Amino acid sequence: EVQLVESGGGLVQPGGSLRLSCAASGFTFSSYAMHWVRQAPGKGLEYVSAISSNGGSTYYANSVKGRFTISRDNSKNTLYLQMGSLRAEDMAVYYCAREGEGFDPWGQGTLVTVSS
Amino acid sequence: EIVLTQSPATLSLSPGERATLSCRASQSVSSYLAWYQQKPGQAPRLLIYDASNRATGIPARFSGSGSGTDFTLTISSLEPEDFAVYYCQQRSNWPGTFGQGTKLEIK
Repeated sequence: EVQLVESGGGLVQPGGSLRLSCAASGFTFSSYAMHWVRQAPGKGLEYVSAISSNGGSTYYANSVKGRFTISRDNSKNTLYLQMGSLRAEDMAVYYCAREGEGFDPWGQGTLVTVSS
Repeated sequence: EIVLTQSPATLSLSPGERATLSCRASQSVSSYLAWYQQKPGQAPRLLIYDASNRATGIPARFSGSGSGTDFTLTISSLEPEDFAVYYCQQRSNWPGTFGQGTKLEIK
């Protein structure tokens, strides 16, 4: 079964850091670009970051550029999102997703709460 | 950046009715347009890719059409489980962008 499982979310103070992980299984992870998409409470989907299959190309939304770093370890079938200088507006459910003709599958999401 | 505008923001219909959701791109995305369904507390689910191709396991009542800048998602006869939020997404230029969503609610 093709599956993505996120972890690493939690409560963090403003200005703090957190690393999200997305463990992939059931497919050849190294063949696919991967994405992080977030959703603030009651809001729509927002692109956060993307990385090519070999890690050579990355993308960051302007809202997180310079604060977040996307990476992947193809030997461990895992995608990462290192988040720093967190702000209240970063509070959201963070999803990882595999890029094909569309995004499929998506993980179940991990909640990041930024609060003092 | 390509901006996707979805309309209407909210659509109120009854089970059995036909739903028509629109997505307009600020510039041509060819046929690189996908549709997703999201229910409360769940991750989005891919419905349609490349404008008109149903994803695996998606019922035939869901169909997509359009190319260039104007796209439509049609649900031919609404089932109770179809009431959700729907997003379009373009992948014409990497990594793509999402529309703001259309909420399909029960009338």
